[in-house]
Amino acid sequence: GNSVTQMEGPVTLSEEAFLTINCTYTATGYPSLFWYVQYPGEGLQLLLKATKADDKGSNKGFEATYRKETTSFHLEKGSVQVSDSAVYFCAFEGSAGGTSYGKLTFGQGTILTVHP
Amino acid sequence: GAGVSQSPSNKVTEKGKDVELRCDPISGHTALYWYRQSLGQGLEFLIYFQGNSAPDKSGLPSDRFSAERTGGSVSTLTIQRTQQEDSAVYLCASSDSGRAFNEQFFGPGTRLTVL
Repeated sequence: GNSVTQMEGPVTLSEEAFLTINCTYTATGYPSLFWYVQYPGEGLQLLLKATKADDKGSNKGFEATYRKETTSFHLEKGSVQVSDSAVYFCAFEGSAGGTSYGKLTFGQGTILTVHP
Repeated sequence: GAGVSQSPSNKVTEKGKDVELRCDPISGHTALYWYRQSLGQGLEFLIYFQGNSAPDKSGLPSDRFSAERTGGSVSTLTIQRTQQEDSAVYLCASSDSGRAFNEQFFGPGTRLTVL
């Protein structure tokens, strides 16, 4: 069935370190891929997305590239900040012929803590 | 309103009681989703409303769970005869499904605790 496998955390880094959070998916068709972020005490919000193979989503210094051949959408940031401490969720939304299935399938979430 | 709102923000109830959780989506959004976030299960899809179409209820965990959406706007998620395993944060999201691959905007959630 459809699923998302996300790198387990928690991940603890020092400020300015390089971040990678791995995400792979299993899905039929051509899903859209997303990274959502949940900051402490806040609601879930979209960080970035990619809707087709080789697309790169980017926002706030984070990037992720849609790799169809490896069914992956790894999240990266070259230099993390304390303010990036949050829970990160990889997700996909299935699609066939341009019609969205609607629901998001999420990974388990990765807790990131960045120390000064 | 500016974003998706949910009420109450916190709900504590006794096992066996019924609860109702409310979601007000972003004005004009035709799609509305309910998810559940719990420690053991992560983020799970529950139900999806799209316009006047029959809802996708494939994620509802049991027949104790139901949801309705009145007038294509506000939605209520009802849990009957609550159990301790129902304790979780219930998230509502809405999207403008006029576009493909649309972004879902999430509310702050309702934290449900079943004693």
